[in-house]
Amino acid sequence: GNSVTQMEGPVTLSEEAFLTINCTYTATGYPSLFWYVQYPGEGLQLLLKATKADDKGSNKGFEATYRKETTSFHLEKGSVQVSDSAVYFCALSARGDSNYQLIWGAGTKLIIKP
Amino acid sequence: DADVTQTPRNRITKTGKRIMLECSQTKGHDRMYWYRQDPGLGLRLIYYSFDVKDINKGEISDGYSVSRQAQAKFSLSLESAIPNQTALYFCATSDSHHGLLGEQFFGPGTRLTVL
Repeated sequence: GNSVTQMEGPVTLSEEAFLTINCTYTATGYPSLFWYVQYPGEGLQLLLKATKADDKGSNKGFEATYRKETTSFHLEKGSVQVSDSAVYFCALSARGDSNYQLIWGAGTKLIIKP
Repeated sequence: DADVTQTPRNRITKTGKRIMLECSQTKGHDRMYWYRQDPGLGLRLIYYSFDVKDINKGEISDGYSVSRQAQAKFSLSLESAIPNQTALYFCATSDSHHGLLGEQFFGPGTRLTVL
């Protein structure tokens, strides 16, 4: 079946540090992959996405590359800011799935200290 | 104004009470979803609806029911609330195209506590 595994948090970094949040997946077919972000007290919002192998999604300085050979979609940012403190969710949607449901990772809380 | 709104934002209730959570959207999307979020478990799908006449159970529908009153409104009911239904509940929407690609738009959430 389909599943998403992401690194446990919290991840605590200093401002301007390099960020990596690992995400690996198991899926049948050809999934689309997503990172959503949840800022404190808010709902989730789409951060970036990739719909096929080797695609790179990017937004707000964050990047993630769809790696089919390693079944991974790791989130990276070169220099984090305090405002990046949030919970980050990796998710997949298997193309061709008639239900079009998103399969979610457990979320990784990111804390950035000034 | 927010595109996806949820009411109430916070609710404390007692075991056995009936609770309704409401969701409205102004995005014009045909698809709507209810999720619950528990610490360390990510999001779990309760129910989803692809249009007004279509209701589907999700991963954890037991103890919940839904009503799609209109394209823009999707409510979640707990017929007899129990403490393990204490969670953060999110409504989300997508349109047919974005549903295929997986992009969903979320409301701000309702924090429900069942004592």
